[in-house]
Amino acid sequence: KNQVEQSPQSLIILEGKNCTLQCNYTVSPFSNLRWYKQDTGRGPVSLTIMTFSENTKSNGRYTATLDADTKQSSLHITASQLSDSASYICVVSAGTGNQFYFGTGTSLTVIP
Amino acid sequence: GAGVSQSPSNKVTEKGKDVELRCDPISGHTALYWYRQRLGQGLEFLIYFQGNSAPDKSGLPSDRFSAERTGESVSTLTIQRTQQEDSAVYLCASSGGRYTGELFFGEGSRLTVL
Repeated sequence: KNQVEQSPQSLIILEGKNCTLQCNYTVSPFSNLRWYKQDTGRGPVSLTIMTFSENTKSNGRYTATLDADTKQSSLHITASQLSDSASYICVVSAGTGNQFYFGTGTSLTVIP
Repeated sequence: GAGVSQSPSNKVTEKGKDVELRCDPISGHTALYWYRQRLGQGLEFLIYFQGNSAPDKSGLPSDRFSAERTGESVSTLTIQRTQQEDSAVYLCASSGGRYTGELFFGEGSRLTVL
């Protein structure tokens, strides 16, 4: 069964600290994996895309990793800011890239 | 357009009424998706359109829900005889063109059924 699981479900950290969010998947055939950020009341926005051959990709303070063997991905946020407070959703696409499987998201709250 | 546009952004209706939600995808995107997101929960797939192929309706929760899409343009999600449990944000996303594999989301339509 194609599934995407994320952990933790929620996280509270102090401003300036780092954090890492996890995503495990059992989607096959794997096409790519994206991390989306969803601010409260807004639609999700793509942060990074990871294809099968990529291990690490950075986008500013966000760094995503992918281990295709263990089917795990992580999103590391460095020097967190209050504006990082959002839900982070792991989305794995399968087949030709138009089938999407969603994790339930990690709710991150950054406090001063 | 530059992004996926959804309307209305907010809709409050009485139980039993019908509602229509509209989505304008990014021009040139062949795929269009509707998702439902209840408060504090993840995205729930509803329906998927790909070009002129028959839509994948496997996510529609009941026969009160239906959706149409004209070619590769606008889509309308219709909920008949709304119930309180239909209250949620309905998100539309499109994909395709040069960026196959990435979903571009609208801001959603927040539906409240009283």
